[in-house]
Amino acid sequence: EVQLVESGGGLVQPGGSLRLSCAASGFTFSSYDMHWVRQATGKGLEWVSGIGTAGDTYYPGSVKGRFTISRENAKNSLYLQMNSLRAGDTAVYYCARGLGIDWGQGTLVTVSS
Amino acid sequence: DVVMTQSPLSLPVTLGQPASISCRSSQSLVHSDGNTYLNWFQQRPGQSPRRLIYKVSNRDSGVPDRFSGSGSGTDFTLKISRVEAEDVGVYYCMQGTHWPPLTFGGGTKVEIK
Repeated sequence: EVQLVESGGGLVQPGGSLRLSCAASGFTFSSYDMHWVRQATGKGLEWVSGIGTAGDTYYPGSVKGRFTISRENAKNSLYLQMNSLRAGDTAVYYCARGLGIDWGQGTLVTVSS
Repeated sequence: DVVMTQSPLSLPVTLGQPASISCRSSQSLVHSDGNTYLNWFQQRPGQSPRRLIYKVSNRDSGVPDRFSGSGSGTDFTLKISRVEAEDVGVYYCMQGTHWPPLTFGGGTKVEIK
């Protein structure tokens, strides 16, 4: 059974940092692109970053330069380092396998003073 | 970036009646490999998104056959042949042909009349 379990969310002040983790199991992690997708309360889904099997990384303009996605295949883990956080980054953050094949339960990030 | 436009925004449906959701892309979603990477997701209240349909018309394992996807190029449709109470939620289309970025439609909320 595929499992994706996010952790690391919480309350952080504007300008602060957080590191999210996603622990994967039930599939060959190294064989899949992985993504982070976020959802603000009551809003739609927004792609935040993606990483290919070769470690190539991609970001939308809204987070480029502030967020860093990485993976550690030996640990079946995906990460998202988020710096210079803003109120607009407040959302539930999901990790997803491939083009949304499977999703985690999400972790809530709240940016507020 | 490819813009995904869904309609309607809200879809009240009588139990047992059909429902149809439209998704249009700002450019063709036919990939150079011949595939069309258009997926549909269901998000029930309080839950993570779940993929229902991949590559336009392929149902994921465990998805009831009352769900079907169709379309080509820039115009796609998700149909529910007979809506059941468990189908309440928000439905999203997503394109993976032209990633990065992955882009999602704004969502269609299906509710029971």
